Amino acid sequence: GDSVTQMEGPVTLSEEAFLTINCTYTATGYPSLFWYVQYPGEGLQLLLKATKADDKGSNKGFEATYRKETTSFHLEKGSVQVSDSAVYFCALSSGSGGSNYKLTFGKGTLLTVNP
Amino acid sequence: GAVVSQHPSRVICKSGTSVKIECRSLDFQATTMFWYRQFPKQSLMLMATSNEGSKATYEQGVEKDKFLINHASLTLSTLTVTSAHPEDSSFYICSARDLGERTDTQYFGPGTRLTVL
Repeated sequence: GDSVTQMEGPVTLSEEAFLTINCTYTATGYPSLFWYVQYPGEGLQLLLKATKADDKGSNKGFEATYRKETTSFHLEKGSVQVSDSAVYFCALSSGSGGSNYKLTFGKGTLLTVNP
Repeated sequence: GAVVSQHPSRVICKSGTSVKIECRSLDFQATTMFWYRQFPKQSLMLMATSNEGSKATYEQGVEKDKFLINHASLTLSTLTVTSAHPEDSSFYICSARDLGERTDTQYFGPGTRLTVL
């Protein structure tokens, strides 16, 4: 079945450091890929997405490129801020056209950014 | 992005009682909504898929008689935890699928923290 593997945390960085959170996937067909962010005590917020190979999703300085050849969707940000501290989830969607549509999530990566 | 609300945000109940959680898509119609459960410091576990006007589809291991789901309109799905027990204490999150000509994205509610005493 479909699966998402993402880098285990926690990840601790200093402010303005470069961030990479690795995500690879296994899926049949052509899934869409997502990064969601969860701040403490809250639900998930969509951070960015990509729907086909070579698409780059970007938002709030974060970027991720859909790499079909390496089945990856790594999240990057050039300069993190304290406010970026949160849990980041990589996800893929499957069964897009049918009743079996659903999201499959990675385990989440806790990012802590220190001033 | 689209907005999904959940109510209540927190609920504390006694063991044996039932609790209803509402999930609403505020600015789009959602034929499909999802209910997840999240344990501390863990990922989301899909419990069931709720389709408007039809019975929910439950994931393996989820008791349909315990977690009743109703999706009566295109903007509202409810999850009722029946005869709640302390082991049902968890963070419950819903999401709604925004499926249009140019979009196919799940938007998540803020979650409901259920504590069963």
